[in-house]
Amino acid sequence: EAGVTQFPSHSVIEKGQTVTLRCDPISGHDNLYWYRRVMGKEIKFLLHFVKESKQDESGMPNNRFLAERTGGTYSTLKVQPAELEDSGVYFCASSPWTGAGYGYTFGSGTRLTVV
Amino acid sequence: GENVEQHPSTLSVQEGDSAVIKCTYSDSASNYFPWYKQELGKGPQLIIDIRSNVGEKKDQRIAVTLNKTAKHFSLHITETQPEDSAVYFCAARGDSTLTFGKGTMLLVSP
Repeated sequence: EAGVTQFPSHSVIEKGQTVTLRCDPISGHDNLYWYRRVMGKEIKFLLHFVKESKQDESGMPNNRFLAERTGGTYSTLKVQPAELEDSGVYFCASSPWTGAGYGYTFGSGTRLTVV
Repeated sequence: GENVEQHPSTLSVQEGDSAVIKCTYSDSASNYFPWYKQELGKGPQLIIDIRSNVGEKKDQRIAVTLNKTAKHFSLHITETQPEDSAVYFCAARGDSTLTFGKGTMLLVSP
């Protein structure tokens, strides 16, 4: 089966600009997660979708971040306007089950650099 | 919320040696503990996991142990090979989301 696909793989933007990241989960996976890793730090949770609904968005840093998953398939994460501290690697992951006891399949990530 | 501490941050070993990475967690309700390996330019890949009703699990050269009382779990890699070089992340999960440690960069020298 195809894995989790993310694009772009890299993005360099100027402070104040807008960037949209996309994630295509494994087909049939209802659960989609966004995580972010800032250089040298842990992979931090941002948001969890179950189908098209936001199950948990407690990790979203502020209202400059907007995630959507229309139709319960692919998801987008928009950062507007981008700030320097938004730089990092954004990972998407998917899972067929919601409950505890199961891991995720991660995409390769989008490396975002805000200059 | 859950907090996961991971040590060491870097680990250098000679090929053939064993490597051990340790993690502690704070939430006693966590019941699932996966380990991920991240190679350069790739996303984290699940390599082994353990559930709270099991104390140890082994898969070829890798093993994971869990001490629920002490709230710590460890990854053991035996007979390390250069291709084991990567960043390893531990994680803990209670309800619906994983909380990760900061990662350990493992370097295996030939």
